Amino acid sequence: GQQVMQIPQYQHVQEGEDFTTYCNSSTTLSNIQWYKQRPGGHPVFLIQLVKSGEVKKQKRLTFQFGEAKKNSSLHITATQTTDVGTYFCAGRAGANNLFFGTGTRLTVIP
Amino acid sequence: DADVTQTPRNRITKTGKRIMLECSQTKGHDRMYWYRQDPGLGLRLIYYSFDVKDINKGEISDGYSVSRQAQAKFSLSLESAIPNQTALYFCATRTSGTDTQYFGPGTRLTVL
Repeated sequence: GQQVMQIPQYQHVQEGEDFTTYCNSSTTLSNIQWYKQRPGGHPVFLIQLVKSGEVKKQKRLTFQFGEAKKNSSLHITATQTTDVGTYFCAGRAGANNLFFGTGTRLTVIP
Repeated sequence: DADVTQTPRNRITKTGKRIMLECSQTKGHDRMYWYRQDPGLGLRLIYYSFDVKDINKGEISDGYSVSRQAQAKFSLSLESAIPNQTALYFCATRTSGTDTQYFGPGTRLTVL
């Protein structure tokens, strides 16, 4: 079955350092989405990538979709304490439902 | 998202009890989902519904059942709760036109 692996599971960074989380799928994806879940909160949609090799930016966040549409990454430049939370990727393969990755929990040390 | 509500927000129950978690949405979306979240396992799909008369099993449906009473309401039942069903449960909705899912605030369920 479809699997979406996400690494690392946890990441602690000093405020101002960069952060990257990686998502890898066992199957080719139609699209990939990224969600953020603040501590005690619920997942909130950040962005969707559809095209092979696509790169999108949201302020300090950069999202990439791999050329083979099997992997993706989220990079945060100069982390801030407001970036804390768990980041999930979620991929769709064909007409199937979204399959969520295991998430990366980011802690930012002031 | 305030447009998707879940009740109760927290529940502690005992093994063997029947529990119902409810989800309501005012977004007018046709598609609704139930997920459970466990540490290190991410979000796993329990059941989903594309319309009032449409119910589909997800990745981990054993031990759960659902009811889509109206387009705006989707309930999850645990017929006989067991401790390994202790988890955070999320309802989500989306419209058929996009893939973006909107999550409710979650229900934290503890089965003793």
